[in-house]
Amino acid sequence: GENVEQHPSTLSVQEGDSAVIKCTYSDSASNYFPWYKQELGKGPQLIIDIRSNVGEKKDQRIAVTLNKTAKHFSLHITETQPEDSAVYFCAASNNAGNMLTFGGGTRLMVKP
Amino acid sequence: DAGITQSPRHKVTETGTPVTLRCHQTENHRYMYWYRQDPGHGLRLIHYSYGVKDTDKGEVSDGYSVSRSKTEDFLLTLESATSSQTSVYFCAIAPFSSGYEQYFGPGTRLTVT
Repeated sequence: GENVEQHPSTLSVQEGDSAVIKCTYSDSASNYFPWYKQELGKGPQLIIDIRSNVGEKKDQRIAVTLNKTAKHFSLHITETQPEDSAVYFCAASNNAGNMLTFGGGTRLMVKP
Repeated sequence: DAGITQSPRHKVTETGTPVTLRCHQTENHRYMYWYRQDPGHGLRLIHYSYGVKDTDKGEVSDGYSVSRSKTEDFLLTLESATSSQTSVYFCAIAPFSSGYEQYFGPGTRLTVT
């Protein structure tokens, strides 16, 4: 089955700096790659996603890039703010799109 | 939380007792999922449903069963709870047309003593 690895497990940045989280996946048939943000005591929240026919997608301060050849995708957060502090998860779908495999998570800390 | 509620939100139970967690949605979405979240393991799929009475196993299904008798409700049962099932359980839903975008509920923290 699919295997998703996520790095780093923790990331500390200064407010205003950029943050990058990287994930690799194993199944070349995967075609959907969402990113979730989880705040303490809450469920994961979908923040951005990308499909395999697109190389990059942006939404205000966040962007996701996908390299299908290398089987990796990344989350980029620019101009980080303290409210960006949370745990971020990447995931990859199976070919049918009805199941997700998650990475282990990255705890992002933005220092004011 | 996208019209998803989970009950109970917290539960403490003893080893060997059966436990049922409920997920309720108001979105009329086709797909419903149960995950567990443990430190160092991220989110792992237990079971999922692609329609009323249609369910399938996920990555960590041993010791769990599910039922979906109505579109809006998806039940997760621990037949005989063990300490290894202490975890936070999340329900997720995805639209009728596909399972791609999954939206998560607030979670249930289960402790098995």
